Amino acid sequence: QSALTQPASVSGSPGQSITISCTGTSSDVGGYNYVSWYQQHPGKAPKLMIYEVSNRPSGVPDRFSGSKSGNTASLTISGLQAEDEADYYCSSYTSSSTHVVFGGGTKLTVL
Amino acid sequence: EVQLVESGGGLVQPGRSLRLSCAASGFTFDDYAMHWVRQAPGKGLEWVSGISWNSGSIGYADSVKGRFTISRDNAKNSLYLQMNSLRAEDTALYYCAKDKDYGGISGYFDYWGQGTLVTVSS
Repeated sequence: QSALTQPASVSGSPGQSITISCTGTSSDVGGYNYVSWYQQHPGKAPKLMIYEVSNRPSGVPDRFSGSKSGNTASLTISGLQAEDEADYYCSSYTSSSTHVVFGGGTKLTVL
Repeated sequence: EVQLVESGGGLVQPGRSLRLSCAASGFTFDDYAMHWVRQAPGKGLEWVSGISWNSGSIGYADSVKGRFTISRDNAKNSLYLQMNSLRAEDTALYYCAKDKDYGGISGYFDYWGQGTLVTVSS
C-alpha cells in the first residue's frame, strides 16, 4: 500500500479538463509544500511536471497545474490532448526518516 | 545535457548482493542530492534511497533499510547502491534520479536515467 492515495484511473475526452487527487497526511502533503507530480509514458522514465505544489519546470505546458488543500494535492490538466495519456504519480517530502513518498499512480485515458 | 546512466543490474539469487552504479554528466554533480527510485514490473514508483550533496543526509525506504546502502563519489561523478540480502520483492527497474534543488534533499527529481533491471530469482 502506497503512502499517498491516488485514484487508480481517470479519463476524459480531448479538450476537456481532468483532476487527479493525491491524499496524504499532515506528515507529508499537509505539512510541506514539497509536492511534485510526474508523468510516465509506457517504457519511458518519469518526467517532472509539477514541483513545490504548483510550479512548472520549463518546457511543461501551462495546461498542467497543481494545487493543494490540507492533506490533499491535485493535478489538473486542461485542454486534454491525446499525448497526455500516461500514468501520473504524485510524491511528497515526508517528516519520517524515509524523506520521500510516492502515490500509487493514476492511469489517465484520453477517450 | 544532463545524462544519468545506470549499470550493474542483472539476475541474482535471493540472499545475494548486487551493486548498482550511476554515472552522471552535464551538471555539477557535487551540488545536488541524488536518489534511487525503483519500479517493479507493472507497478508504481517507489523511492528507495537518497543522499545529499555531501553525503551528510541519507534516507532509506523502510523496505530496504538495513539491507541497502547508498553512497556517492563526487570526484567520479558517480552514485552507488549496494544491495545486500536481496529478496524476490526487490525485483524492479532501478532509476537514478537527480534532485532538483541545490544541496539538500528536496524530493523533486528533475532528471532520470533509463534504469537498470534487477531480477531476484533462484
